[in-house]
Amino acid sequence: EVQLLESGGGLGQPGGSLRLSCTASGFTFSSYAMSWVRQAPGKGLEWISALSGSGSTALYADSVRGRFTISRDNSKNTLYLDMNSLSAGDTAVYYCAIYPSTERPDFDYWGQGTLVTVSS
Amino acid sequence: DIQMTQSPSSLAASVGDRVTITCQASQDINKCLNWYQQKPGKAPQLLIHDASILRTGVPSRFSGSGSGTDLTLTITSLQPEDVATYYCLQYEELPLTFGGGTKVEIE
Repeated sequence: EVQLLESGGGLGQPGGSLRLSCTASGFTFSSYAMSWVRQAPGKGLEWISALSGSGSTALYADSVRGRFTISRDNSKNTLYLDMNSLSAGDTAVYYCAIYPSTERPDFDYWGQGTLVTVSS
Repeated sequence: DIQMTQSPSSLAASVGDRVTITCQASQDINKCLNWYQQKPGKAPQLLIHDASILRTGVPSRFSGSGSGTDLTLTITSLQPEDVATYYCLQYEELPLTFGGGTKVEIE
């Protein structure tokens, strides 16, 4: 059974940092690109970052580029999101998800999400 | 960036009604479109990929159609368990972009 489990959310200070983790199981983690998608309270979905299976290619939305860093440790089946220079606009539930695959388009799974609240 | 304009933003229909949700892309997305269902407090779940292919296990009352810039999700006979917010996602071009969502309720 495919599982994605996010952790690391919580209260962050404006201008501060947080690190999110996403631990995967039930599939060959290193074979799949992964994404982070966030959802502000009561709002829609926003894709913010993706990383290739090898970790060599990282992609970012303009809203987080230069502040957030995506990485992965395939030996630990874990995806990370390092979030710096946090602002109130980063308050959201953060989901990790398998990046849409043209080879296996139905292999689409999301974690349960972790809530990040940025407030002083 | 490809803009995805989803409509309506909300709707209320009766059990058994046919429901149609549309996503209009700002440019041709070559059927690189997923439809998701999100229930309150839960993660989105894939319903349809490649614009029209039903994911295994998804009820056949859900269907996707369209190509180019105009894509549609149809629920042929709305059921109480279909109450949710529905999103489209284009993956033709980076950045990936979602439609604004359609909240579906039962009258």
